[in-house]
Amino acid sequence: DIQMTQSPSSLSASVGDRVTITCRASQGIRNDLDWFQQKPGKAPQRLVYAASSLQSGVPSRFSGSGSGTEFTLTISSLQPEDFATYYCLQHNTYPFTFGPGTTVDI
Amino acid sequence: EVQLLESGGGLVQPGGSLRLSCAASGFTFSTYSMTWVRQAPGKGLEWVSSISGRDTTTVYADSVKGRFIISRDNSKNTLYLQMNSLRADDTAVYYCGHCSGGACQSGGFDIWGQGTMVTVSS
Repeated sequence: DIQMTQSPSSLSASVGDRVTITCRASQGIRNDLDWFQQKPGKAPQRLVYAASSLQSGVPSRFSGSGSGTEFTLTISSLQPEDFATYYCLQHNTYPFTFGPGTTVDI
Repeated sequence: EVQLLESGGGLVQPGGSLRLSCAASGFTFSTYSMTWVRQAPGKGLEWVSSISGRDTTTVYADSVKGRFIISRDNSKNTLYLQMNSLRADDTAVYYCGHCSGGACQSGGFDIWGQGTMVTVSS
């Protein structure tokens, strides 16, 4: 199975900060990686697909990059509604695997 | 607008069975692969199973293989998850997901339902 790791596991930030979250795959997954945001009690929402394509309706302050085994999600200027948990997902090979999550709080 | 609505969750005893449903609307259901993902209380996300659109090819996580069965009724635009031999560690919110571009492996999951809670306890 492909193992996904995320760093950091949590971070504290302020409104306006630039935030970067890293996701690493245990083997190459091309660009078959998505990023999700989840708020408490809610379903995950996809932010980025194919590593770097912004999901329709997602603010442009979110961006993704990477290919192969290392990927990043960047929030250019953190807004109050961005405090949440972020997960990466590899869908290159079954079983699909999620990263353990990164919680962004104040 | 793509919409997914799960139902069927509840409290079940260990060893029991439950069938989840996911009613889909806003897209041509039969042409899209679908998936189930779960999240145990306070934990991360875990992929459970996926099914293709027309030929109904199925794939399962090792943790549920042999116990869970994913299926679909394209005439009713509904996805199912039959869960048998339930264990305490199956306790989770179960989400159904729409696979982007028709196939989960190429497109990932773009739309999720609101989830249904399954609690396995005596």
